[in-house]
Order: sequence, then C-alpha cells, then structure tokens
Amino acid sequence: DIQMTQSPSSLSASVGDRVTITCRASEIIRTYLNWYQQRPGKAPKLLIYEASTLQSGVPSRFSGSGSGTDFTLTISSLQPEDFATYYCQQSYTNPRTFGPGTKVDI
Amino acid sequence: QVQLVQSGAEVRKPGASVKVSCKASGYRFTGYYIHWVRQVPGQGLEWMGWIYPNTGETNYRQKFQGRVTMTRDLSDSTVYMELSGLRSDDTAIFYCARDSVQWGLMYNFEYWGQGTLVAVSS
Repeated sequence: DIQMTQSPSSLSASVGDRVTITCRASEIIRTYLNWYQQRPGKAPKLLIYEASTLQSGVPSRFSGSGSGTDFTLTISSLQPEDFATYYCQQSYTNPRTFGPGTKVDI
Repeated sequence: QVQLVQSGAEVRKPGASVKVSCKASGYRFTGYYIHWVRQVPGQGLEWMGWIYPNTGETNYRQKFQGRVTMTRDLSDSTVYMELSGLRSDDTAIFYCARDSVQWGLMYNFEYWGQGTLVAVSS
C-alpha cells in the first residue's frame, strides 16, 4: 500500500494567516492527489483534485501544487470557516489511501 | 442537487453483521461509482471499496475481502454496504461517497453522505 504522510499533524494559526500543509507519498503518484477538508461532525469535502485543480465552488484562497511524491495545500488567507482538519488522498492505485490529517485550529 | 442520504446509527454485538444504506438523488444513479469510506472516531479515513450501480460490479479493499458486500437497488437508487464478523475495532463512521465523473472511475470523492455510526460492543 502507498503510505501517505502529512506535516504538520496540527497547527495553530490566526485569521488572515497564510497556511501551508505538506503531504508526502511513499511512492510516485504523479499528480493523482486530492485534498479534503473536514469540519467537526461533518463529512469530508473535496477541495482540490489532481494535485492542483480547484473543485467547483471552493474559494480561490485554496491552492494545491506538487507532483511525484511531494505535495502542498496552501490557504492564502485563513478564514474562520477554514478551521478544520485537512486530509490528502492518493487516487493513483489501489488501495486508495489517505494521509493522517492536519488539524488547523486557532 | 446531488444528495446522498444514509441510514441511521446502529449498535451491534461482536460477530454480528450490519447493513448501511445510501440513497442517492439529484443525478443519474447508474452513471457514477459509489465508494464507501470508514472513519474511526477521532482518526483518519479509510477507503473500503466501490460499487458501480450500472452493472453491480464491485471492488473491495483486500483487508475487507470476505467481510464486506456492496449491493445496489436500481428501483430505489440506493446502495448498501454490509459488513459481517464485526469486531470492536470496526466501531466507526461509515460514509458513502460519489465519484466525480460520469461513466468514469477517478477516485475523487465529490459528494458524501452524512455518515452512519456503527458501534460494536458486547
């Protein structure tokens, strides 16, 4: 199985901050990397697919980059509704696997 | 609008089975793969497998092979996930999630159900 790691596991930030979360795959996955946001008690929400394509309706302050094994999710100016846990997921090969998550709090 | 509505919380004893439903609306049911994802409370996400409602074809993660069965009811636009041989470490929230591309398998989980908590306890 491809192992996904994320760093940091948690971070504290303020409204307006620029936040960067890193995801690393144990094998090359080209750009088959998705990002999800999960608020407490809610289902995950797809933010970015194929490493850098913004899902319809997602604010442009979210962006993704990377290829191969190293990827980043950036929130350019953190908003109150962005405090949540973020997961990366590889869509390259079975079994599809998720990272352990990065919790963003105040 | 696309909606996936899941059945309510369940409590089971170890060794029992549970069947969770996921009713789809707002799109062509047969056109999109439906995946199941598990989340142990307070922990991460685990993809379990998919079902293609158009044909009934399924693909399960190896660790669940022999314990999970995914089916669909075309008359009701509903998919089901049944997990047998339940253990205490199966206690989790189970989500159904629709793939993003019609007639395609992308493993981009675009729409999610609200989740179903299954608690396993003696």
